[in-house]
Formats: sequence, structure tokens, C-alpha cells
Amino acid sequence: SQQGEEDPQALSIQEGENATMNCSYKTSINNLQWYRQNSGRGLVHLILIRSNEREKHSGRLRVTLDTSKKSSSLLITASRAADTASYFCATDYGNNRLAFGKGNQVVVIP
Amino acid sequence: DAGVIQSPRHEVTEMGQEVTLRCKPISGHNSLFWYRQTMMRGLELLIYFNNNVPIDDSGMPEDRFSAKMPNASFSTLKIQPSEPRDSAVYFCASSRTGWEANVLTFGAGSRLTVL
Repeated sequence: SQQGEEDPQALSIQEGENATMNCSYKTSINNLQWYRQNSGRGLVHLILIRSNEREKHSGRLRVTLDTSKKSSSLLITASRAADTASYFCATDYGNNRLAFGKGNQVVVIP
Repeated sequence: DAGVIQSPRHEVTEMGQEVTLRCKPISGHNSLFWYRQTMMRGLELLIYFNNNVPIDDSGMPEDRFSAKMPNASFSTLKIQPSEPRDSAVYFCASSRTGWEANVLTFGAGSRLTVL
């Protein structure tokens, strides 16, 4: 099945730096969502961007969506140790289910 | 609300045994999803219910897997007989369809180890 796919990255950054991760998908979407998963926990919804939106902010998170390139990026500004987690993009193709990528692991070093 | 509640959190069993995983979705949510997460395959959708009715079970690996949702507040995922390759973390998630554009709330997961 088609699904969002993150760039296969494991990011290791210093606290205070920015972290950027990307996601690509294959066909038209209704919306794209980003989730965070801390070790041993379930996924937690972070932010949703609709297909007619290009950029969205939520606190230190900034999401962009380029429907012409079928890609999205998630930027975490001024990272903190508590941001250490895996980040997943999920695409909603309008069939009432989400397709998840394999995730990007981010480690923020204090 | 206590969120999506899954049990057990951890299960270790031997090959051939029956495994039953349980999920209580958030009250008022009308869609329920079972996902499986492994390092190799990532997060896979197994089955999806809407208003207690199974809508899409194309992700269920084989006949050894079955899922039920007898009412709006309870669902089970059963594996019989279990095999070592079923070892994974199984997540239940729920959403209110038509509200927040299908934003999922996940449970903490059930980690299954089949020896």
C-alpha cells in the first residue's frame, strides 16, 4: 500500500540546534500528519497540514507541504533533550486510514 | 479521559499458544485501528473498524489473526496459533471520523514475544 516515507535518517544534534526531517508520498492526499513516539510508548499526534495549506506552525514545530513535489518537512526549532524520539509522517488519502512512514530517530544531546 | 487503554502491556508466550490483545478506545470515538510495529516493516495497519464494523482487514497477515469489536468500548485482536514471527508491538488507536480529519490517538501498545 502507498505510504508516507521519511528520509531514512537518524539525527543526532546538540540541544538548541534545529532538527529537520522530510517525508515523501506517492499520490494525492487529504492531509499529512506528523507523530512522535518516545521509546516504549505509543505514537502521539503533533501536527496536521491539509492539502491546501503550505505551511503550519505549532509552538517550536514548523511543517511545510509541497504538493507538487509530494513532500513535507518537519522542523523542530531550538531542540531540547525531551525532543529525543522517533518522528513519523502519516498520509491520509481520504479512505479514513493513515499510512505511516518508518520514522526518523532524533537524539538531542544535552 | 484515560486515553486508549491496551492490555496486556507485555506478553511472552510459546509458539502455538493463543494470544489475545485487548483495547478500550476513547469514549465517543467511532473508528478503531489495530497496527503492528516491527523494526523491519515499520507500522502496519492490520484492521480498521468504523462504528464497530470491520471495514478493511486486508492488512491481517493470515487466518491465524482475527479481530472483533463487540461494542463501541472494546476490541480484541487474537492470534491462534502464535508463531515467533508474530513478535512485535501491537498498537490500538482510535479516532472520531469526520471530526479532526482522522487524527489518531494511540494506546501504549502491547509488546508480544513468541518463543
